[in-house]
Amino acid sequence: EAGVTQFPSHSVIEKGQTVTLRCDPISGHDNLYWYRRVMGKEIKFLLHFVKESKQDESGMPNNRFLAERTGGTYSTLKVQPAELEDSGVYFCASSQDGGGPLTEAFFGQGTRLTVV
Amino acid sequence: AQSVSQHNHHVILSEAASLELGCNYSYGGTVNLFWYVQYPGQHLQLLLKYFSGDPLVKGIKGFEAEFIKSKFSFNLRKPSVQWSDTAEYFCAVNAPRYIPTFGRGTSLIVHP
Repeated sequence: EAGVTQFPSHSVIEKGQTVTLRCDPISGHDNLYWYRRVMGKEIKFLLHFVKESKQDESGMPNNRFLAERTGGTYSTLKVQPAELEDSGVYFCASSQDGGGPLTEAFFGQGTRLTVV
Repeated sequence: AQSVSQHNHHVILSEAASLELGCNYSYGGTVNLFWYVQYPGQHLQLLLKYFSGDPLVKGIKGFEAEFIKSKFSFNLRKPSVQWSDTAEYFCAVNAPRYIPTFGRGTSLIVHP
């Protein structure tokens, strides 16, 4: 069974440019989460999809970040325009069964974004 | 707001030493607790989890954790670490909306 995959694994862009990160969850998983880890700090929740609907986007830092999950399969996270403080590792995770208490989230390897 | 505190940010041990990593959470309701590990170059993996029942939980690779409700703690332990345990360890709480909330992580380096 394929795990959660993320593309690209690394991205270096200049301030002001646009970057789009992609996450392919485990097939059949309705729940998809995006997280970000700034160096040395906690893994911070960004948002949660249930199928194609945004269930919770309380962690999105500002309107430069746009997440989509068309068709309830893969998801994209676009940063436009990127700022220096957006640098970090962006993790995606997925889980099944409606996200209840017995749910285990499976994580991708992350995308390391560096804004210069 | 829900928060998870990991007290040790960097731990350096020699092989065969014992390990204990602290984790405290601030949520007062029913909680589900997890420890995740990220080995160098790999993705986050689940080490162990607690939902209910026996507060002493055993996970993979000889790790265990004890849930102490009165102390709001879920400390991770291993009696004898190996070089291959070098990794980052994250405590997480699956509350209040079943969304994993993480601590800052602890970087563990084990010298052979």
